[in-house]
Amino acid sequence: RKEVEQDPGPFNVPEGATVAFNCTYSNSASQSFFWYRQDCRKEPKLLMSVYSSGNEDGRFTAQLNRASQYISLLIRDSKLSDSATYLCVAERPGTYKYIFGTGTRLKVLA
Amino acid sequence: GAVVSQHPSRVICKSGTSVKIECRSLDFQATTMFWYRQFPKQSLMLMATSNEGSKATYEQGVEKDKFLINHASLTLSTLTVTSAHPEDSSFYICSAKTVNTEAFFGQGTRLTVV
Repeated sequence: RKEVEQDPGPFNVPEGATVAFNCTYSNSASQSFFWYRQDCRKEPKLLMSVYSSGNEDGRFTAQLNRASQYISLLIRDSKLSDSATYLCVAERPGTYKYIFGTGTRLKVLA
Repeated sequence: GAVVSQHPSRVICKSGTSVKIECRSLDFQATTMFWYRQFPKQSLMLMATSNEGSKATYEQGVEKDKFLINHASLTLSTLTVTSAHPEDSSFYICSAKTVNTEAFFGQGTRLTVV
């Protein structure tokens, strides 16, 4: 089983839509989780950290469900500029190593 | 956020030659640096972890004699791809972090071996 798993998509949604991505992780001891955004042929950029209580940053909401070992990202009112690959990351416990999921590709259509 | 600079951004080399990629943390001292590789339409795969002044630790399946990592200071790590072959063509990305921060990524290096 992969350490971090995501649906690769692509998710094609119209502008203004709400879209949600899920990601599962296999190591129940993992403590730190992140969502990164990666544009084509560029380095990943941190979108947001994921906390147990959930966190929101503008149109983006991230949640962590420890019991089911998954994290989610919700994007409201999608913009064309949101088109990118969204990478789920779990930190391997005690190592500072970031383990990436395969990424979920989002295309927001006009 | 903190800045991590990776150089070169793009390199083409002949099969059998070696290529060195530099990763620098410009405005902070990184306790740890990481090297990733990303093939087209795939995710970032962790290759190795580098701590200043000590030997790098490699992930399973990564050849340490082929991918030489040197972490000479708290702000510089280098990855040398030795005797490169076309199958080593990939996007190589470094990241750097301190204990209490998230990881910051370099811009990546696109290596093409011809």
